[in-house]
Amino acid sequence: GGIITQTPKFLIGQEGQKLTLKCQQNFNHDTMYWYRQDSGKGLRLIYYSITENDLQKGDLSEGYDASREKKSSFSLTVTSAQKNEMAVFLCASSIVGQGYEQYFGPGTRLTVL
Amino acid sequence: GDSVTQTEGPVTVSESESLIINCTYSATSIAYPNLFWYVRYPGEGLQLLLKVITAGQKGSSRGFEATYNKETTSFHLQKASVQESDSAVYYCALGESNYNVLYFGSGTKLTVEP
Repeated sequence: GGIITQTPKFLIGQEGQKLTLKCQQNFNHDTMYWYRQDSGKGLRLIYYSITENDLQKGDLSEGYDASREKKSSFSLTVTSAQKNEMAVFLCASSIVGQGYEQYFGPGTRLTVL
Repeated sequence: GDSVTQTEGPVTVSESESLIINCTYSATSIAYPNLFWYVRYPGEGLQLLLKVITAGQKGSSRGFEATYNKETTSFHLQKASVQESDSAVYYCALGESNYNVLYFGSGTKLTVEP
């Protein structure tokens, strides 16, 4: 089996600050994803990457940048943290192709002061 | 765009009772989306419960079942007799494209009372 690791587990930042979240997977999956989950709501896709150095925007990409410098890692940057961005950010990975399961990390909880 | 609507929570049922969590979807970018139920048990990460990728088929896992109904655009989750250990948050999701982009419902928190 494999595992997805997200760091940090908790991230506290100031409004306007640039913040980076990291994700590592050892499944050897090609595709990786970043989702945001607000309290009591479903997950919404921010970015995904189908291979190393590839980036695809999701519905929620505005205000975020992403980086996939190697197959096993996928980083997300909040370019300017806003108070209404307090949420949990979930990273996932999957085999390429329709219908495959996504494996999720434990999440990073972001709080903006 | 694509979207998923599911039963608003929280839902509370007694052990051994039957359960249905409704899920309907709207798929505009793909004719035959893949459908999933994910679950988050207390203290654990989000994980797949079951999936169906062919319209008309049924998926099952841990006593739960869901049938992919293209006519009614539904994928309701059912269990005949729930247990306390089924207490969790359940998410219906629609997958489209070869890269499996998922659209999630808002989640349904289920509490099963002894």
